[in-house]
Amino acid sequence: NAGVIQTPRHKVTGKGQEATLWCEPISGHSAVFWYRQTIVQGLEFLTYFRNQAPIDDSGMPKERFSAQMPNQSHSTLKIQSTQPQDSAVYLCASSLTGANTEVFFGKGTRLTVV
Amino acid sequence: AQSVTQPDARVTVSEGASLQLRCKYSSSVTPYLFWYVQYPRQGLQLLLKYYSGDPVVQGVNGFEAEFSKSNSSFHLRKASVHWSDSAVYFCAVSIQGTGSKLSFGKGAKLTVSP
Repeated sequence: NAGVIQTPRHKVTGKGQEATLWCEPISGHSAVFWYRQTIVQGLEFLTYFRNQAPIDDSGMPKERFSAQMPNQSHSTLKIQSTQPQDSAVYLCASSLTGANTEVFFGKGTRLTVV
Repeated sequence: AQSVTQPDARVTVSEGASLQLRCKYSSSVTPYLFWYVQYPRQGLQLLLKYYSGDPVVQGVNGFEAEFSKSNSSFHLRKASVHWSDSAVYFCAVSIQGTGSKLSFGKGAKLTVSP
């Protein structure tokens, strides 16, 4: 069990460019979560899939951010027209089911927008 | 909506000393409670969780936490810290029925001095 795998670990993009972050959940896990971590805001929930269906995207900025889960083995978080304030560590997590079971986190992708 | 407050952003203790990290939550219903630890450049790792029953729960590496409904608290304790415990500790809550979507406190950075 390799855990939740996030790629790349580090990404540097120029302002205005697009960034795509990848997440491979633990095999068999049906729930996938995305969080954003910054010094100022701490850990913020972004969005959540269960059985590949979007369940809750209440934390996603309405513009420029989108998340998908095209199959059970990976999810992507896409940020269009990146801005310096998007710089953060983006954490992906997965769990067996959504119903209050243990959530396992990946090591995160550090996005830096220059 | 639920929220979590960790009043001590930075804590320094001597190796071998006891530790308490405080966590207060606000929720309209009794939430599910968690403590996570984050080592540098790593994802979050679950230390312990409380769903119901005995208010004192045991976790990994000698950590325990005590739930108090009357005080809306879930403080983390360890009898004797080791230098390897230096990390950032996050308290989190989840409301039943919302899957494992977690709301985190801002974290407490623990430094164990020799």
